[in-house]
Amino acid sequence: AQKITQTQPGMFVQEKEAVTLDCTYDTSDQSYGLFWYKQPSSGEMIFLIYQGSYDEQNATEGRYSLNFQKARKSANLVISASQLGDSAMYFCAMREREYGNKLVFGAGTILRVKS
Amino acid sequence: DAGITQSPRHKVTETGTPVTLRCHQTENHRYMYWYRQDPGHGLRLIHYSYGVKDTDKGEVSDGYSVSRSKTEDFLLTLESATSSQTSVYFCASRADTEAFFGQGTRLTVV
Repeated sequence: AQKITQTQPGMFVQEKEAVTLDCTYDTSDQSYGLFWYKQPSSGEMIFLIYQGSYDEQNATEGRYSLNFQKARKSANLVISASQLGDSAMYFCAMREREYGNKLVFGAGTILRVKS
Repeated sequence: DAGITQSPRHKVTETGTPVTLRCHQTENHRYMYWYRQDPGHGLRLIHYSYGVKDTDKGEVSDGYSVSRSKTEDFLLTLESATSSQTSVYFCASRADTEAFFGQGTRLTVV
C-alpha cells in the first residue's frame, strides 16, 4: 500500500491566486512527521514546511501553509498568492518512528502558474 | 543554506566498475538518506542511516551498499555499476522538524 498519495499529477493556477496541493498518508504510528518539498526545473530539492503529528496548529512558512487534518490523514499544502516562480514539482513526504524513521515520498504534483 | 553537499555532481562510468558517491553534512543531523530519482518513479529510498555505523535498506537497495563512519559523511557505493543504475542520486539529512537535500549527482553508466 502506498504510504503517501498525491492524487493530482498536474495542476494549473492563475498568478496571484491560491492553490491547494493534496497529500494523504497511511500510518498506524502515533508519532510521525510530514514534509513538503519543491523541485524546480533546475533539479534541486527545496524544503518548504514541516508538520508534526502532535502539532495542534497548522504549520505556516511565509506563503506556504499546511492544512493538516489528522483524522482524515491528509496534509495538503496551500500556496497563497501564486507566483510564476512557484511553477515546479511538489513532493509530500512522511517519516514514521515505527518504521525506523524512514523518509518516504509521494509521486509528486507538477504545478504550473499561468500569467 | 543547509550545509549538505554531494560529490561528484556528475559522473560517467562504465558498466561493471565500482562507483562511490559522497554526501557530507555540517548540520550534525542524526539521520541521512540516499535516494534515486527516475522519470515516472519519483524519489525511491536506497539506504538510510540512523547513526554512525547504523544503516538499513530502503526499497531499492539491491546493487548498492553504504557506509557511515562519521556523523557528517554518508557514502553510497555501487559495487558493479549497471546501466539500470543510471539516475539522479540525492542525499538528505534530517533532524526532527527539517530535512535538507544535497544538490544531486547525475550518474550515467555506459
